[in-house]
Amino acid sequence: DSGVTQTPKHLITATGQRVTLRCSPRSGDLSVYWYQQSLDQGLQFLIQYYNGEERAKGNILERFSAQQFPDLHSELNLSSLELGDSALYFCASSSSGRETQYFGPGTRLLVL
Amino acid sequence: ELKVEQNPLFLSMQEGKNYTIYCNYSTTSDRLYWYRQDPGKSLESLFVLLSNGAVKQEGRLMASLDTKARLSTLHITAAVHDLSATYFCAVAHNTNAGKSTFGDGTTLTVKP
Repeated sequence: DSGVTQTPKHLITATGQRVTLRCSPRSGDLSVYWYQQSLDQGLQFLIQYYNGEERAKGNILERFSAQQFPDLHSELNLSSLELGDSALYFCASSSSGRETQYFGPGTRLLVL
Repeated sequence: ELKVEQNPLFLSMQEGKNYTIYCNYSTTSDRLYWYRQDPGKSLESLFVLLSNGAVKQEGRLMASLDTKARLSTLHITAAVHDLSATYFCAVAHNTNAGKSTFGDGTTLTVKP
C-alpha cells in the first residue's frame, strides 16, 4: 500500500459526460501528479500540482482540468468525454517534487 | 521534444540468468526513474537516478545512469519468477520540472 488513495476505482460513463477523479496523497506529501495510461498512447504525464499551485503541465487536453485543494487532495475533471478517453488514470505523490513518486491504485475509466 | 526509447520491449528469460534493459533518451535530463508494473496493478517506484554515474541496487535489480550517453540501464541478476512484470523508465524534462516522458515499457517474463 503506497498510502495514496484514489476514488472511484472504476467508472463507466457515456460520451459527452463529465466525471471527477479524486486523489489523496500520502500524508505530508505536497506534490501530486496525474498520469494517463492507455493501450494507444502508453503512459503519459498530465499535470503536477505542488502545495496547491500548478507546477508542470504535460499532454493534458483542454477538456481536462485539475486542481489541488488546501488539504492537498487533488481532483482531475474530465469533460465532454470521448471514447478515446477510456484509460487508467493514476495519481502519484511525492514530498517535494524531485524524489520518489508513490502511485495510487488508479481509476479505470470506460467511456461508452 | 524529449523522446525515450526502451529496449527490448519484450524479454523472456530463464531463471538464474542475467539480462539488461536499456533506456535511451534524446535530450539532456537530470533525473531518470525506473518503475515496475504488475499486470492490472499500479506502478511501483524502483529507482530515482539523479546524477551522471549514479548506480542504485535493490535486490536483484541494479540501475545506472550515464547522462553523457543519455542512457540508463536496468540490470537483472539471477532472475527469479517474481521479477516477471513490465518495467518502465521515465525521463524528467529539464525545462518543465515535474514533467516526465515514459518509455514504452519492457515486459519481462521469467521462466523456470
